[in-house]
Amino acid sequence: DVKVTQSSRYLVKRTGEKVFLECVQDMDHENMFWYRQDPGLGLRLIYFSYDVKMKEKGDIPEGYSVSREKKERFSLILESASTNQTSMYLCASSFPGQVSTEAFFGQGTRLTVV
Amino acid sequence: GQNIDQPTEMTATEGAIVQINCTYQTSGFNGLFWYQQHAGEAPTFLSYNVLDGLEEKGRFSSFLSRSKGYSYLLLKELQMKDSASYLCAVRESQAGTALIFGKGTTLSVSS
Repeated sequence: DVKVTQSSRYLVKRTGEKVFLECVQDMDHENMFWYRQDPGLGLRLIYFSYDVKMKEKGDIPEGYSVSREKKERFSLILESASTNQTSMYLCASSFPGQVSTEAFFGQGTRLTVV
Repeated sequence: GQNIDQPTEMTATEGAIVQINCTYQTSGFNGLFWYQQHAGEAPTFLSYNVLDGLEEKGRFSSFLSRSKGYSYLLLKELQMKDSASYLCAVRESQAGTALIFGKGTTLSVSS
């Protein structure tokens, strides 16, 4: 089974802190994604990566950065956390190129910024 | 621009059939996906359509009309465990392989 693992289920951080959200997948997927999910807004794409050291901005990249140093790991970084970044963060991965390939999701990290 | 619309909420009773509609306007199209998400859990893949027509998978079926920018997810013989959010997502060819999601439809199944 494909496994996408996020390092924490719940996190509480203070405003202004630097926050790292880690995601690891074990299926050798080239593509990895970070979304945030908010009530009434659905899943919104923050960043994605289609190869090691490659990254592309999604719809809402402001206030975030990412790192992909190894194929299996994709990190989301909040340089200076703010209360409007309180959300559920979901990581996903998939194979590229094959049109029918679905994305597999991690369990999510519920981040609260106080 | 991109826009994916689906109803916010739907209700149904056990044993019934429900159809969840999704309309999309995107700059490109490279497939439409349906995901199921139970409260507090990760989305899980249900179905995929890239060509027009109906794809059937057990109690769930999904339909696509590319000319109309329209899809639906059909759930038959509803069970209580089908109470969940159903997410419609489109892959735009110009956006690589990232999925763009609608806001989701929360389905409540009652006995």
